[in-house]
Amino acid sequence: EVRLVESGGGMVQPGGSLRLSCVGSGFTFRPFGMIWVRQAPGKGLEWLSYIDGSNNPIHYADSVKGRFTISRDNAKNSLYLQMNNLRVEDTAVYFCARDMGYLVLGSYKDIWGQGTMVTVSS
Amino acid sequence: QSVLTQPPSVSAAPGQKVTISCSGSSSNIGNHFVSWYRHLPGTAPKLLIYENNNRPSGIPDRFSGSKSGTSATLGITGLQTGDEADYYCGTWDSSLSAGVFGGGTKLTVL
Repeated sequence: EVRLVESGGGMVQPGGSLRLSCVGSGFTFRPFGMIWVRQAPGKGLEWLSYIDGSNNPIHYADSVKGRFTISRDNAKNSLYLQMNNLRVEDTAVYFCARDMGYLVLGSYKDIWGQGTMVTVSS
Repeated sequence: QSVLTQPPSVSAAPGQKVTISCSGSSSNIGNHFVSWYRHLPGTAPKLLIYENNNRPSGIPDRFSGSKSGTSATLGITGLQTGDEADYYCGTWDSSLSAGVFGGGTKLTVL
C-alpha cells in the first residue's frame, strides 16, 4: 500500500520551533517531488513548499519563506519541514503529499498523508 | 485571499449535476495544468482530476474537469450525499514560483 505518514506536530509557543516528518512507504521515494500543504482552522488548503527528488529545485510560499526549511532523506524515505520563529497564524494541520507530473507545467498531488496538527499559542 | 477564486459554496439535489468554477490568471491557470481535490476535515485530501481533465484510477466518470483560458471547472453528475465535502482546484503560479490552491468550495447535497 502506498502511504505517507506525518509526525512531529504539537503545541509550541510563539517564536518556537518544530520539525515535522513525513515517511513514505509502498513506493520508491527518491524520484518523486514532495510538498507540504497546511490547513488552518476554518480555512482552505495552503501550499507551503516543494522539494525535488534530487533536492533541487526547492520552492517556498512567501508566507513561510525564511522561516521554514524543507528537506528530505531518500535513504530513509523521509521528508521534513523545519519550522522556526513560529507564529500564532501558523496553527494548522500540516499535510505532506507526493507531487506528480512536471512542477512548472502544473503538477498534481496524488498521495497525501493524514496530517499532523501544529498549535502555536502562548 | 486566494490566488485562485472559487465560489464558497454550491448545492444541488441528489441525482443532479453541479459545477464548481476556479478562476485565475495567465500566470497560473492560463498556462498550467489544473488539478482538483476533495477534502473532508480530519482526512487526507483526495485527487479527483489531474492535468485539467484526467481522472486517476478509481475515480468514477461522474467527475469531470475542463479548462478554458484562465478558468477551470469541475463537474459532478449523479450527486450523492457522500459527495458532500470541500473541493479545491490547484496549479502552479509562475509569477509566484509557488503552487496555489483555490479557496475551496463546500458542496452540499440537499
